[in-house]
Amino acid sequence: DAGVIQSPRHEVTEMGQEVTLRCKPISGHNSLFWYRQTMMRGLELLIYFNNNVPIDDSGMPEDRFSAKMPNASFSTLKIQPSEPRDSAVYFCASSFTGTATNEKLFFGSGTQLSVL
Amino acid sequence: SQQGEEDPQALSIQEGENATMNCSYKTSINNLQWYRQNSGRGLVHLILIRSNEREKHSGRLRVTLDTSKKSSSLLITASRAADTASYFCATGQTSYDKVIFGPGTSLSVIP
Repeated sequence: DAGVIQSPRHEVTEMGQEVTLRCKPISGHNSLFWYRQTMMRGLELLIYFNNNVPIDDSGMPEDRFSAKMPNASFSTLKIQPSEPRDSAVYFCASSFTGTATNEKLFFGSGTQLSVL
Repeated sequence: SQQGEEDPQALSIQEGENATMNCSYKTSINNLQWYRQNSGRGLVHLILIRSNEREKHSGRLRVTLDTSKKSSSLLITASRAADTASYFCATGQTSYDKVIFGPGTSLSVIP
């Protein structure tokens, strides 16, 4: 299995531009999570999906952030317009939740976002 | 707000010594998990302990869970330089199907 695949690996953009981060979860996993990691705030859960449906987006910082999961094998996190304070590493993770909940997460390699 | 809080924030030991990291949390949990992150990489799952378990082992790792004190510890025995990384505890909430991470402990193992 290729694991969770994120793209791009690095993104450098200018303030005000639209940024789209992509994630392909592990095949068969039915939960997908977007996290943001910074030195100041650590790992923050932004949003998670179960069976392609957004369950909790309370961690999304502002209306400038949006996430979609059009099918079981693809998700996007979009920031529009981007701001310098959005600079961080964004991780996607997936898990299989059957009858149990909160099962272990498999993380992608992350997208290092720099907004100038 | 973050659920788990690791202690210490940073730990430096000599190779061969044992490393102990602690985690405290605030609300009811289904399970508690420990992850490792090497610099510039994604997190890797190490071990999961359920709320009805008290101790779990995996290789050189030993995890304990005390639900009455809302705390857990991760022990790495006979540490190696390759164990140098950040270690995070994460709690699976009973109220929500999501996993919340603490701020992490940075471990340095000196050869």
